[in-house]
Amino acid sequence: AQSVAQPEDQVNVAEGNPLTVKCTYSVSGNPYLFWYVQYPNRGLQFLLKYITGDNLVKGSYGFEAEFNKSQTSFHLKKPSALVSDSALYFCAVRDARKKDSNYQLIWGAGTKLIIKP
Amino acid sequence: SQTIHQWPATLVQPVGSPLSLECTVEGTSNPNLYWYRQAAGRGLQLLFYSVGIGQISSEVPQNLSASRPQDRQFILSSKKLLLSDSGFYLCAWSKVGVRVSKLFFGSGTQLSVL
Repeated sequence: AQSVAQPEDQVNVAEGNPLTVKCTYSVSGNPYLFWYVQYPNRGLQFLLKYITGDNLVKGSYGFEAEFNKSQTSFHLKKPSALVSDSALYFCAVRDARKKDSNYQLIWGAGTKLIIKP
Repeated sequence: SQTIHQWPATLVQPVGSPLSLECTVEGTSNPNLYWYRQAAGRGLQLLFYSVGIGQISSEVPQNLSASRPQDRQFILSSKKLLLSDSGFYLCAWSKVGVRVSKLFFGSGTQLSVL
């Protein structure tokens, strides 16, 4: 069965420190992987995606994510956290064998990121 | 540029009353459209998606229905709301014909059923 796990309900980081938000996945074939961010009382915004190629993907707002096939992980990272990065982060995955089908996205439960000044 | 409008932003409705949430997309044609519900500020549940006018697919049996009367208009409805319908409702769209398209979300509607 396809699934996404975000093992941390909440991550606390001091401003200026590096941050990592974890995501592991399970799909039958190769994965397409996504990160979205949600600020309070707002819709989700796309951050980045992994399709193929370079395992390190760079996205919006200085975020990047590293695809690790052997560990089936796609952790979100940022070298230096800002207070404004505080938000809810969602990881999502779908099977690359299927044609464009966002309705088949599997979503993680979300991780609340809190950056303290 | 493309934009998505969703309204109202907040809604308080009594149990048993009807519901109509509207979503429109501008700046693109023939988008795929989606309705999600987010309970307790966390996980997303896909409710409906549409690949064209009048074409609605339901992911979860529930008290809600969706319609797409025009290419860029998506409506979420209920004839009689239940307490369990409370939540944060999100409309989204994606481009057709892109192998790995991303979702563009509206700003959401916070629905409280009392």
